[in-house]
Amino acid sequence: EIVMTQSPATLSVSPGERATLSCRASRSVSTNLAWYQKKPGQAPRLLIYGASTRATGIPARFSGSGSGTEFTLTISSLQSEDFAVYFCQQYNNWPPYTFGQGTKLEIK
Amino acid sequence: EVQLLESGGGLVQPGGSRRLSCAASGFIFRNFAMSWVRQAPGKGLEWVSSISVIDSNTYYADSVKGRFTISRDNSKNTLTLQMNSLRSEDTAVYYCAKDQLGMGFDSWGQGTLVTVSS
Repeated sequence: EIVMTQSPATLSVSPGERATLSCRASRSVSTNLAWYQKKPGQAPRLLIYGASTRATGIPARFSGSGSGTEFTLTISSLQSEDFAVYFCQQYNNWPPYTFGQGTKLEIK
Repeated sequence: EVQLLESGGGLVQPGGSRRLSCAASGFIFRNFAMSWVRQAPGKGLEWVSSISVIDSNTYYADSVKGRFTISRDNSKNTLTLQMNSLRSEDTAVYYCAKDQLGMGFDSWGQGTLVTVSS
């Protein structure tokens, strides 16, 4: 099973600032990685797939990068609606699909 | 517009059973793999099970293997998760998700809460 590790667990950033979230895989997942946004009481929302491709309707301030074992989600200028928990997921070697434990992005 | 609507959650005693359903609309259901993902209170996302398009092959997390059964009815655009021998650690919000193979889970339902407690 591929273990996904996200850092930091909590990230405090001011609105308008840039946020950088990291995700590491225990072995290579190529670019078969997705990022999701999760808000309380809401369904998860696909942001990025293929490590760097924005899903339909996702604003350009969200970008993903990386390959192999190291990945980054960057939010270029934080809006109030971006404060949420973010999860990475690998779909290179499954079953099982595996998720990171999440990074909580909070307002500084 | 893709819509996924889960139902069937509720309170169940340890050792009991529960059947979750997911009604799909807005896309050609039979053309897509489908999955269940859960989130326990205060925890992260955990993949539970998936069912393929071809031959309806099924896949399970080790934590539910032998206790949960995923199935689909393409004539009714419905995904089902039969959960048996439930444990307290199965308490979670269960989401159905459309599996865009190679592109992640691109659509999710709002979830249904299953609470396993005496």
